[in-house]
Amino acid sequence: QVQLQQSGAELVKPGTSVKLSCKASGYTFTSNHMNWIKQTTGQGLEWIGIINPGSGGTSYNVKFKGKATLTVDKSSSTAFMQLSSLTPEDSAVYYCARERYSSLTYWGQGTLVTVSS
Amino acid sequence: DIQMTQSPASLSASLGETVTIECRASEDIYNGLAWYQQKPGKSPQLLIYNANSLHTGVPSRFSGSGSGTQYSLKINSLQSEDVASYFCQQYYNYRTFGGGTKLELK
Repeated sequence: QVQLQQSGAELVKPGTSVKLSCKASGYTFTSNHMNWIKQTTGQGLEWIGIINPGSGGTSYNVKFKGKATLTVDKSSSTAFMQLSSLTPEDSAVYYCARERYSSLTYWGQGTLVTVSS
Repeated sequence: DIQMTQSPASLSASLGETVTIECRASEDIYNGLAWYQQKPGKSPQLLIYNANSLHTGVPSRFSGSGSGTQYSLKINSLQSEDVASYFCQQYYNYRTFGGGTKLELK
């Protein structure tokens, strides 16, 4: 069955970067685009961007350009998101989600990122 | 950017009641809309795609409708397991989520 296994919680200092991972299994990794979504505690969902694992092509929410960088490693069926120049406002749960016909049919369990000195 | 305005932000309803949640897009999204359910501590789950198509395994008491800029999610005969937050998402132009609706039991 389709599974998206995300990396564990991160506690990071302001001004640093963090790289989150999302390992896919149960399907052909290059067949479906992967999205990344931010959810702040008790708040709504924000779309960060999307990557085509086959080509590496990306599109970003303008709000996250320069903040998030999406990449993949096809050999390990893993998608990555690097967040840079972290501030407390970047503290959130981050999800990866596989897209099918543009809707998000499978979600990872989420990774909690806490930015604190 | 397409903005999605979801209402109400919170909703209290009784078991067996019919509930409707609305989403309004800032421009025509041509039925490029999905609805998700998120229970506390869990990841969101797809309910409806293409505005009115029920995702596999989703109970038939959930339905979606709408066109143009106005869309709605209806839950018939509310069950206790439907207590959750609900989000709409447009995918006509990039992707944008609505602000969410928290559904509680009265």
